[in-house]
Amino acid sequence: GDSVTQMEGPVTLSEEAFLTINCTYTATGYPSLFWYVQYPGEGLQLLLKATKADDKGSNKGFEATYRKETTSFHLEKGSVQVSDSAVYFCALSEDFGNEKLTFGTGTRLTIIP
Amino acid sequence: DAGITQSPRHKVTETGTPVTLRCHQTENHRYMYWYRQDPGHGLRLIHYSYGVKDTDKGEVSDGYSVSRSKTEDFLLTLESATSSQTSVYFCAITPGQNTEAFFGQGTRLTVV
Repeated sequence: GDSVTQMEGPVTLSEEAFLTINCTYTATGYPSLFWYVQYPGEGLQLLLKATKADDKGSNKGFEATYRKETTSFHLEKGSVQVSDSAVYFCALSEDFGNEKLTFGTGTRLTIIP
Repeated sequence: DAGITQSPRHKVTETGTPVTLRCHQTENHRYMYWYRQDPGHGLRLIHYSYGVKDTDKGEVSDGYSVSRSKTEDFLLTLESATSSQTSVYFCAITPGQNTEAFFGQGTRLTVV
């Protein structure tokens, strides 16, 4: 079955540092890939997505590129801010008509001033 | 914000009692999902629905049942609550076709 493996956390960085959170996946077909973010006390919200190989998703300074050859979708940001502190989830969805999302375990990110 | 509301937001219940959580949407989206969030496991799918009266099991469905009698409401029932069902439960909705899923704010359930 489908699975998503995420970089173990927690991750602590100083403000303005470079961020990478690794994500690899296993899927039967050609999934769409997502990064969701969860701020304290809230539900998840979509950060970015990519629906086919070599697509790059981007939002709020975050980027991730769909790499089919390495089955990866790593999240990057060039200069993090304190407000980026949250839990980040990598997820995939296959086009089987049910739109189910399979999530990684999440990576807690803390940015210190 | 997507119109999705979960109720209750917090609940404490005793082992062996039935519990029903409600998810209500105002977006008329076709697909609705119930996930549970636990440390070290991320979010795991319990049940989902792809239309009125059309539901199916997810990866952790044992001990849970669902119903969807109207497009806007998706109910999750714990038939006889156990301590292992202490968790945060999230409802999600999507119109489908690999579009964004919208999540509710979650229900924190504690089974004592």
